[in-house]
Amino acid sequence: GQSLEQPSEVTAVEGAIVQINCTYQTSGFYGLSWYQQHDGGAPTFLSYNGLDGLEETGRFSSFLSRSDSYGYLLLQELQMKDSASYFCAVRDDYKLSFGAGTTVTVRA
Amino acid sequence: EAGVVQSPRYKIIEKKQPVAFWCNPISGHNTLYWYRQNLGQGPELLIRYENEEAVDDSQLPKDRFSAERLKGVDSTLKIQPAELGDSAVYLCASSPSGLVETQYFGPGTRLLVL
Repeated sequence: GQSLEQPSEVTAVEGAIVQINCTYQTSGFYGLSWYQQHDGGAPTFLSYNGLDGLEETGRFSSFLSRSDSYGYLLLQELQMKDSASYFCAVRDDYKLSFGAGTTVTVRA
Repeated sequence: EAGVVQSPRYKIIEKKQPVAFWCNPISGHNTLYWYRQNLGQGPELLIRYENEEAVDDSQLPKDRFSAERLKGVDSTLKIQPAELGDSAVYLCASSPSGLVETQYFGPGTRLLVL
């Protein structure tokens, strides 16, 4: 089965940088996805790392180290609209298994 | 392009009553997923369809849950009878075949069982 760990909450001010770490234990690992979910909303895809290294998409970046079973999502230039829950999800050959999520609160 | 559509958005029922949720995936997406999300948790996969075939239903509580995707497009998830512990958000997602990592979620159905 899969096991994922990520911090439950992070608080930061507008304009700051936040890093959400995700460690995992799994069999059949293909890659790590990240999703954002606003309160009451649908999870939306942010990024995917199938290979080691950094993927950059605008203000968000994601990193994967397969040897360390570790990844992170980096949120830069935080904005109020970034207040949401962020989930890492392990991809095996046919499904995603999600972590419990990290609630990011952005303060003015 | 329309996103994943789900209905109803909210449902309140008494325990032991039946309930059904409907999902219409993004056009052309052959893979459809049903998830359950409890408060403060991530989505948990209940069942996955490839076209009309349920290829993974290992996490579906089959004594009370059932699902169908008869024509390989829209899908229905049913609970009968509902229990208090079934209160959760039921999410539907879709993806093109093979693109497991990039799933498009609907807004979900928030179920409250009293």
